[in-house]
Amino acid sequence: DAEITQSPRHKITETGRQVTLACHQTWNHNNMFWYRQDLGHGLRLIHYSYGVHDTNKGEVSDGYSVSRSNTEDLPLTLESAASSQTSVYFCARYPDRDRGHWEQFFGPGTRLTVL
Amino acid sequence: AQSVTQPDIHITVSEGASLELRCNYSYGATPYLFWYVQSPGQGLQLLLKYFSGDTLVQGIKGFEAEFKRSQSSFNLRKPSVHWSDAAEYFCAVGPLDTGRRALTFGSGTRLQVQP
Repeated sequence: DAEITQSPRHKITETGRQVTLACHQTWNHNNMFWYRQDLGHGLRLIHYSYGVHDTNKGEVSDGYSVSRSNTEDLPLTLESAASSQTSVYFCARYPDRDRGHWEQFFGPGTRLTVL
Repeated sequence: AQSVTQPDIHITVSEGASLELRCNYSYGATPYLFWYVQSPGQGLQLLLKYFSGDTLVQGIKGFEAEFKRSQSSFNLRKPSVHWSDAAEYFCAVGPLDTGRRALTFGSGTRLQVQP
């Protein structure tokens, strides 16, 4: 699905730097999610949001933050990047209407390397 | 807490052979179940989903899955594998219409297809 974009697609940064990964959707869906993908762990939930000004922590939220100032965007910030945060990051969206009838739609992912 | 187990980390099958990928879940209510596929370097593509009704669901690319409540399983099958099916496969469970609305993923099964 091309209507959820992530940028950058690849990022290399250094330990201790602040990094922000962008997620933008054009479907006006209230529910947005950030997951990280690591070998042997599948995808794990970092943060999620049900709407503007709403943010919630997932299972692996330490070292990450999100903000939701509008419906379209949910940027993910690594306050002080650590090597353990080297991963592939996926953003997802999900509609409010007819919630029991839809799957989550994923962006293309951002590959982040922390040196 | 909900969880998903994919007991097979890596499976190799010959082209034309049948395939079954196992998925077991732990969830306190009727789950919504999904299978996603990820080709190397790509994002996640939905293969099929189960919300309710017929326990045998058909998906894209000739895949099907069967929900067995008594066994807490949602195994993915394909009668004849093609070389292009080589990828990583993820099973996921979620309520989506209540509570957290996020997905819980298994750790994935990597499928190799031999010519």
